[in-house]
Amino acid sequence: QQQVKQSPQSLIVQKGGISIINCAYENTAFDYFPWYQQFPGKGPALLIAIRPDVSEKKEGRFTISFNKSAKQFSLHIMDSQPGDSATYFCAASTQGGSEKLVFGKGMKLTVNP
Amino acid sequence: DAGITQSPRHKVTETGTPVTLRCHQTENHRYMYWYRQDPGHGLRLIHYSYGVKDTDKGEVSDGYSVSRSKTEDFLLTLESATSSQTSVYFCAISSLGPYEKLFFGSGTQLSVL
Repeated sequence: QQQVKQSPQSLIVQKGGISIINCAYENTAFDYFPWYQQFPGKGPALLIAIRPDVSEKKEGRFTISFNKSAKQFSLHIMDSQPGDSATYFCAASTQGGSEKLVFGKGMKLTVNP
Repeated sequence: DAGITQSPRHKVTETGTPVTLRCHQTENHRYMYWYRQDPGHGLRLIHYSYGVKDTDKGEVSDGYSVSRSKTEDFLLTLESATSSQTSVYFCAISSLGPYEKLFFGSGTQLSVL
């Protein structure tokens, strides 16, 4: 069974628009929720991460929103740019590693100029 | 890529042959990981290491073995390659804690014919 479910699978937005990627998890033990960004031919790179003690974390144009009761978290990309075109993975694990890091299946974002 | 080198970058091999992929880091990070990436599956953990000679299995470890005799090197061996092991393999490292802030290498594209 998939422990982290990511949606949508792909997304096309116009430059300047808002991109939203959603993830849902099953294991209530998870307490670390990172997002990774991957460009073609490259390895994933950590974009932003959140822990459940806060409901939102913002870094520049990227914001994670976290809803513990719904077991959901999302990535919002404000003022999307063509350079944001990449595949985005959500993931979850526990601090200390008692639960291994599991990734969603990824979402391919295309930002049109 | 944060001082991580994967070799080879590309490899084509035949079914039934052993294959070894190498991950070399210059960051002196304690934790090292091997993931495979397949369309529709995201990233899946094969094996990981908490230190020299300290390794454990991930969610898709069947048919793979690993060794870590030095802090900087983590080897992944496909004991008898099968077509289902055709994939992109990523090595990752971290220092803060297990599964926190992973730095990924550029990947090895492996084709098993």
